[in-house]
Amino acid sequence: GNSVTQMEGPVTLSEEAFLTINCTYTATGYPSLFWYVQYPGEGLQLLLKATKADDKGSNKGFEATYRKETTSFHLEKGSVQVSDSAVYFCALMVDSNYQLIWGAGTKLIIKP
Amino acid sequence: NAGVMQNPRHLVRRRGQEARLRCSPMKGHSHVYWYRQLPEEGLKFMVYLQKENIIDESGMPKERFSAEFPKEGPSILRIQQVVRGDSAAYFCASSPDGRTDRRAFFGQGTRLTVV
Repeated sequence: GNSVTQMEGPVTLSEEAFLTINCTYTATGYPSLFWYVQYPGEGLQLLLKATKADDKGSNKGFEATYRKETTSFHLEKGSVQVSDSAVYFCALMVDSNYQLIWGAGTKLIIKP
Repeated sequence: NAGVMQNPRHLVRRRGQEARLRCSPMKGHSHVYWYRQLPEEGLKFMVYLQKENIIDESGMPKERFSAEFPKEGPSILRIQQVVRGDSAAYFCASSPDGRTDRRAFFGQGTRLTVV
């Protein structure tokens, strides 16, 4: 079946550190891939997405590249800030245009 | 333009009681989706509704759970005779069309605790 696996948290980093949050997937067909973020006290927000192999999604300094050969969509940022502290969710969509399949989320804590 | 509003944010119910979770979609959005997140797990799709219609309820438990999206007012997720296993975060999303891969917006979620 379709599934998403992402690294367990919490991930704790110092400000300006390099960030990688791993996400791998299993899917039939050709899924679209997403990263969502939930800041404290707020709703889930779409951070970035990619719809086909080798696409790179980017937003707010975050990037993720759709790697079909490794079935991965790792989230990266070159220099994190305290304001990036949040829970990050990797998700995919196949077949329909509305049913997202989610990873368990990774809590990111950035210390000043 | 207010975002997707869910209330209450936190809900505590005793076993056997009913839980009602409300979701007001963004203005102009007529499509609503409910997801449930159990502890330590990812969100799981429950149901997709349009105004007065259930489009896809393939993720809804067969018993005790129901959802509606009336012509007027918020969408309601109703859980009858709650059990401890219903404790979870329930998220609602809305979109202007039947696609969450483009312009879907999520609420803050309702955290249900069954004691």
